[in-house]
Amino acid sequence: DTEVTQTPKHLVMGMTNKKSLKCEQHMGHRAMYWYKQKAKKPPELMFVYSYEKLSINESVPSRFSPECPNSSLLNLHLHALQPEDSALYLCASSRRAWGDEAFFGQGTRLTVV
Amino acid sequence: QQPVQSPQAVILREGEDAVINCSSSKALYSVHWYRQKHGEAPVFLMILLKGGEQKGHEKISASFNEKKQQSSLYLTASQLSYSGTYFCGTVPPSYGKLTFGQGTILTVHP
Repeated sequence: DTEVTQTPKHLVMGMTNKKSLKCEQHMGHRAMYWYKQKAKKPPELMFVYSYEKLSINESVPSRFSPECPNSSLLNLHLHALQPEDSALYLCASSRRAWGDEAFFGQGTRLTVV
Repeated sequence: QQPVQSPQAVILREGEDAVINCSSSKALYSVHWYRQKHGEAPVFLMILLKGGEQKGHEKISASFNEKKQQSSLYLTASQLSYSGTYFCGTVPPSYGKLTFGQGTILTVHP
């Protein structure tokens, strides 16, 4: 199984809502990542978890809150988002951070209204 | 520091070759190459490590010049399936993060 599964695929939320994005992998990877991608732009790193510990937070606003409950799961909790936060949110995993091939999920297309 | 890719876009006929370049102003530990088709996730192509050899599989290969902090992706005898946006990603020598270039849009026509 070389798949990273993200749910939901699409999400529309209001600026006062609270929602969560989920990511799951069963490849035994110990590094997991959240990226944000705007149209026609490269993926932009948000967070890195290595061995279930947050190792990099790219100065992301606190309205985005990551969580790694175990080595297979990664969540991104969303609260009080702004319309400019609308984007494709990609989860990825790799055997170890940065040194190996990263597998990306299909992403969650988020629209904030 | 974001690596710089060139060209920004390439249009090919099936069977033609293409080269995509990736350049960094900083020392590099590794270079990663990904392809992303419209509406899909990025897909890993290859990783080149400092001190490593040129890599390749089938008709896609890449090189890494550590001294010049540059990498090139070579696509030979292009196929329609090669169309997409190609991103290089660079990792600095110290424990750092992978930073993607701005992407190169490759379009292959029949």
